[in-house]
Amino acid sequence: GIQVEQSPPDLILQEGANSTLRCNFSDSVNNLQWFHQNPWGQLINLFYIPSGTKQNGRLSATTVATERYSLLYISSSQTTDSGVYFCAVGIKAAGNKLTFGGGTRVLVKP
Amino acid sequence: KAGVTQTPRYLIKTRGQQVTLSCSPISGHRSVSWYQQTPGQGLQFLFEYFSETQRNKGNFPGRFSGRQFSNSRSEMNVSTLELGDSALYLCASSWGQADSYNSPLHFGNGTRLTVT
Repeated sequence: GIQVEQSPPDLILQEGANSTLRCNFSDSVNNLQWFHQNPWGQLINLFYIPSGTKQNGRLSATTVATERYSLLYISSSQTTDSGVYFCAVGIKAAGNKLTFGGGTRVLVKP
Repeated sequence: KAGVTQTPRYLIKTRGQQVTLSCSPISGHRSVSWYQQTPGQGLQFLFEYFSETQRNKGNFPGRFSGRQFSNSRSEMNVSTLELGDSALYLCASSWGQADSYNSPLHFGNGTRLTVT
């Protein structure tokens, strides 16, 4: 099956700092999504981004499908950005079956 | 529009018992997927239902089963509970058309199951 690796595993930021999270995957994918899991366990969909670049406020994401990686950028981080960020990928034949990476745990300090 | 609703939020069961978890998708969403999250294995796909049919299944034993009703609500059942079944069970819904791979997933708050 598809392998998904996220780096770094842990990230500590000072409020206001910028950061980049990376997701590498082992095969061609049709589906790539980024999620944020807050400290209460809720998983929030940040981006559906199988290719290209998208921006949503202070967050943006870029997927280079041909090179099998995606990047999530957090700018001007806030304490509410703390939590775990997951990358998940899938292929057309698998419908909504997503394979998740291990996540990047982010702690933003005030 | 209401989000994905999962009930109950917490469950404590004893080994050997069975449990049923419920999920109501976002209105209009026809695809419901279930995932298990544990500290050791991370997030793992259990199964997906679309229009009352199981469309995909993950690598879990037959003790894990599910179904979807005509109103798209879904239930999953775990029989003969084991200690290792303790986990956060997450339900996600999406528009789920024929090419449902291009629909963002929206997750509920999960059901935290503890097996003692």
